[in-house]
Amino acid sequence: DTGVSQNPRHKITKRGQNVTFRCDPISEHNRLYWYRQTLGQGPEFLTYFQNEAQLEKSRLLSDRFSAERPKGSFSTLEIQRTEQGDSAMYLCASSFGQNSPLHFGNGTRLTVT
Amino acid sequence: AQKITQTQPGMFVQEKEAVTLDCTYDTSDPSYGLFWYKQPSSGEMIFLIYQGSYDQQNATEGRYSLNFQKARKSANLVISASQLGDSAMYFCAMREGRSGGSYIPTFGRGTSLIVHP
Repeated sequence: DTGVSQNPRHKITKRGQNVTFRCDPISEHNRLYWYRQTLGQGPEFLTYFQNEAQLEKSRLLSDRFSAERPKGSFSTLEIQRTEQGDSAMYLCASSFGQNSPLHFGNGTRLTVT
Repeated sequence: AQKITQTQPGMFVQEKEAVTLDCTYDTSDPSYGLFWYKQPSSGEMIFLIYQGSYDQQNATEGRYSLNFQKARKSANLVISASQLGDSAMYFCAMREGRSGGSYIPTFGRGTSLIVHP
C-alpha cells in the first residue's frame, strides 16, 4: 500500500492558463474522489468516479473543470482558463467499497496569479 | 442547510488531558456513516475513526473514541491523554446512503486543536 499520490504538489499559474493535476489512487481502490479545500474550510466535494465511470459532479464543478479516470486507474483534473478564485488545495481520495474510509493524497496546492 | 456542523473553531487543551471535539449532523437517511479526520499543518488528511449509524457500540481506536448520540444527531470525538502531536485541524464527515449508492462524504468546517505542554 503506497498510498494515494498526487502530482504536482504545488502549481503556480497565471490567470487564463490551463492546468492539469494527476492522482494515482491506492491500486485496489475502485472509488476515487476529488475535493477542493480553501483556507479555513473543510474539503468540498467536486467529483466522484467508480472505476472509470464519473458518477457524480458537484455544482461547484463549472464547465471549466473536467476530470477523467481512463481505465479506472489514475485520474486527472483539468482546469481551463484559470481564475484567481480557483486558488485552493485540490485533494484526491480513494476508497474500496461504500463504507470504507477515504484515503487522501497530500494534495496539489494551486495558486493563480 | 449544513449537513455537518462543528461549532468550535478552536480548542485548547493541556498535554495529557482529555478533549472533546463537537460534531452534529443532519440527515433523514437511516443509513449513514460518520468519520473523523485529522489534518496537521503539513496538509495530509489522516483518517482517525468511523461510526456506522447501525453500530450499537461507540467506536474506539486507541486514544480516539467517538461519542455517538443518535437521537441528538451528535458524533463527538474524544481524544484521551492529549499529546503535542495532536495539534491539528480535525474534521467531522458524514456519508449518507443514497439511491444510486454514491455515498459521497460531506465535511464540516473543522476545529483547530492546540495542545499546550
